[in-house]
Amino acid sequence: DIQMTQSPSSLSASVGDRVTITCRASQDINNYLAWYQQKPGKVPNLLIYGASTLQSGVPSRFSGSGSGTDFSLTITSLQPEDVATYYCQKYNSAPWTFGQGTKVEIK
Amino acid sequence: EVQLVEAGGGLVKPGGSLRLSCAASGFIFSSYTMNWVRQAPGKGLEWVSSISSSSNYIDYADSVKGRFTISRDNAKNSAYLQMSSLRAEDTAVYYCARVSGIFGSSWAFDIWGQGTVVIVSS
Repeated sequence: DIQMTQSPSSLSASVGDRVTITCRASQDINNYLAWYQQKPGKVPNLLIYGASTLQSGVPSRFSGSGSGTDFSLTITSLQPEDVATYYCQKYNSAPWTFGQGTKVEIK
Repeated sequence: EVQLVEAGGGLVKPGGSLRLSCAASGFIFSSYTMNWVRQAPGKGLEWVSSISSSSNYIDYADSVKGRFTISRDNAKNSAYLQMSSLRAEDTAVYYCARVSGIFGSSWAFDIWGQGTVVIVSS
């Protein structure tokens, strides 16, 4: 099975900072990569699919890039409401594996 | 409004069984692959199982294969997860999730239910 590895596991940044989270697949998944945001105590929310396509309603400060095995999620200007855990997920074929998550906090 | 509502969670003893349900509304349920995803306390997301729109394609995570059974009733706009031989490590919030595209499984999960809590403990 393809493994999904995120880094870092957690980060702390200041409001307005640019934040980047990476996700690496153990095999080529083309662009079948999604990013989810899960705020504390809440349900996961789809942010990006197809590695770089923003889901409707998601603020433009979020962006995704990559293809093949290496992907990234960038928040261009971190806001207090972005405090959450972020997960990548492969969806080219089963199993639809998630990364272990990256917890983002405000410094 | 597009909505998924899970039910059926609860406290069950190790070795016991439980059936979760996911009621869908606001979209053509019969056109979408449905999934179950779980999250153990303080842990990350784990995909559990997937069922295609017409139940032709079913997949399970290795961790539940042989113990859990996914099904759906398109006439009732509902999906189910029958869980048996439950273990302490099955304790989690179980989410029902819809894929974002019709007639296929290679789509991200765009609609999630609020989740139902399953606790396996003696």
